[in-house]
Amino acid sequence: EADIYQTPRYLVIGTGKKITLECSQTMGHDKMYWYQQDPGMELHLIHYSYGVNSTEKGDLSSESTVSRIRTEHFPLTLESARPSHTSQYLCASSGTEPIRGYTFGSGTRLTVV
Amino acid sequence: GENVEQHPSTLSVQEGDSAVIKCTYSDSASNYFPWYKQELGKRPQLIIDIRSNVGEKKDQRIAVTLNKTAKHFSLHITETQPEDSAVYFCAASPRDTGNQFYFGTGTSLTVIP
Repeated sequence: EADIYQTPRYLVIGTGKKITLECSQTMGHDKMYWYQQDPGMELHLIHYSYGVNSTEKGDLSSESTVSRIRTEHFPLTLESARPSHTSQYLCASSGTEPIRGYTFGSGTRLTVV
Repeated sequence: GENVEQHPSTLSVQEGDSAVIKCTYSDSASNYFPWYKQELGKRPQLIIDIRSNVGEKKDQRIAVTLNKTAKHFSLHITETQPEDSAVYFCAASPRDTGNQFYFGTGTSLTVIP
């Protein structure tokens, strides 16, 4: 079944560590997004990509980076994790025409201690 | 850029009553308006959407209305049930931004049995 997958689901990591959150989709979508969300709270766009080798920063200032080398893969990297990065990270994808809502992944809940 | 406002932020209703959540948007280029439901600990799920060439859309107990002149759209849930309890997000998508989605701040709906 076509879907969007995120790993890991939960991650506890020490301050200063480098981490990569994985996101892959089998939807055949060109557009992919990363959102940061505290539980039940507002969704903040941190990065997006409209295709291979295309990445943009979103509205929320972030110390993370992304890459889009393959259409189906959109990993998020934190070079040096801090307690302020503790949050849930949601990956999403969308097609182009006809426009439909995002499909979200199940999220990665990150805790930096 | 687009700005989406959502009200109320919290809403409690008795089981069987109706619930209404309202959103306003600022960009007249927005032409697609999805609604998401996020249950506790789960990913946001698309529940209904409407395009700018339609004034109303229904799907069983859920309906969405759109007033392009006033730039507002609303989610209506009738005969509410406890399983409707969740956080609901509206979004607007302007065609001139590659149809990126701009989300409202969310409404926490509680249906009291």
